[in-house]
Amino acid sequence: KAGVTQTPRYLIKTRGQQVTLSCSPISGHRSVSWYQQTPGQGLQFLFEYFSETQRNKGNFPGRFSGRQFSNSRSEMNVSTLELGDSALYLCASSQLTNTGELFFGEGSRLTVL
Amino acid sequence: GESVGLHLPTLSVQEGDNSIINCAYSNSASDYFIWYKQESGKGPQFIIDIRSNMDKRQGQRVTVLLNKTVKHLSLQIAATQPGDSAVYFCAGGGGTSYGKLTFGQGTILTVHP
Repeated sequence: KAGVTQTPRYLIKTRGQQVTLSCSPISGHRSVSWYQQTPGQGLQFLFEYFSETQRNKGNFPGRFSGRQFSNSRSEMNVSTLELGDSALYLCASSQLTNTGELFFGEGSRLTVL
Repeated sequence: GESVGLHLPTLSVQEGDNSIINCAYSNSASDYFIWYKQESGKGPQFIIDIRSNMDKRQGQRVTVLLNKTVKHLSLQIAATQPGDSAVYFCAGGGGTSYGKLTFGQGTILTVHP
């Protein structure tokens, strides 16, 4: 069974640009969550999607948005990039079990110059 | 329990020793707590979970202890191996927010052969 796939793995952008990151969950997983990981703030929850609906949103500005498609694949977008957006963006999928078991991808490493 | 700072706690052990990684959490409303392991260049990997109404749970070579009185969680790894070297995160979650976890800052475990 294939794991969570995130693309691209690495990307470099400049301030003011926008970026779209993609996530393909494990087959059969309908919940997709996104996290930002930085050395300063650690792992922080961005948002969670289920059945194409955003269920939860973390404390991030409106520049951060996401969506989920009917096949459960998800994308997140960051507009008007700032230097502080440089981070590892992790996608995780789950089967909606109340155990906290999430399956993470290897992440997309974004560098903003 | 909240993600803070640049400097992660570190734990250095010899191969074969037992390791104990600690975590203090702040959200008493969590229904469950989880430990994740993150190896370099990879996404976090689920290790074990414990529900808030339990105080101990054992897995393969790992034991998680929960002390709700002092809001403390620990992960014990028996017979630590070099492959256990990684960053370990505790996290809490609950309700219907299956994909929304609050992560601790992490602890770097280094196992010396």
